[in-house]
Amino acid sequence: EAQVTQNPRYLITVTGKKLTVTCSQNMNHEYMSWYRQDPGLGLRQIYYSMNVEVTDKGDVPEGYKVSRKEKRNFPLILESPSPNQTSLYFCASSLIPTPGSYEQYFGPGTRLTVT
Amino acid sequence: AQSVSQHNHHVILSEAASLELGCNYSYGGTVNLFWYVQYPGQHLQLLLKYFSGDPLVKGIKGFEAEFIKSKFSFNLRKPSVQWSDTAEYFCAVGLTSGTYKYIFGTGTRLKVLA
Repeated sequence: EAQVTQNPRYLITVTGKKLTVTCSQNMNHEYMSWYRQDPGLGLRQIYYSMNVEVTDKGDVPEGYKVSRKEKRNFPLILESPSPNQTSLYFCASSLIPTPGSYEQYFGPGTRLTVT
Repeated sequence: AQSVSQHNHHVILSEAASLELGCNYSYGGTVNLFWYVQYPGQHLQLLLKYFSGDPLVKGIKGFEAEFIKSKFSFNLRKPSVQWSDTAEYFCAVGLTSGTYKYIFGTGTRLKVLA
């Protein structure tokens, strides 16, 4: 089954404790992306990756890191989480973004709480 | 800066009523336009998309959207909503010129009363 998986699904942590949220897709997609969803703000893109070793900032990259060492995986790293990073995080993937072929497939989400 | 605006934040309709959700974007170049839906407790899924051609596009579950270039709009419509359409709807723009950002609107929560 074609899917995007994220782990963990729920995470409660404390300020400053480094964490990684994993994302994996089995569709051989080139493009992968991370979003955070906050009430009233919709989804905001954190980082995206066009392919292995190619990443770029979205609209809200501060406080986050990503890496793309393998095509299928795109982990999100919070080196020193803060309470304002409490949010619902989604990973997504798509084919290479050419006009007309750019719809994204989303993972189930990771609900992160930073206390 | 590029942005996507959804002016209806909450909409409540009775079953069989018609639906129109507004979406406007600010970007002068070629855009890929999307509507996604998020049912309660589920992740986002694609409703429909537009890149070129017929500006009236049809998607799943009886939804359609009209692209009006002069108004920078991509409004979502459904002639007759059902209780199962209760969800949050997001308009999005995918950029493919100079940047590959994907920009979402703030979403519209639709509640359909049975």
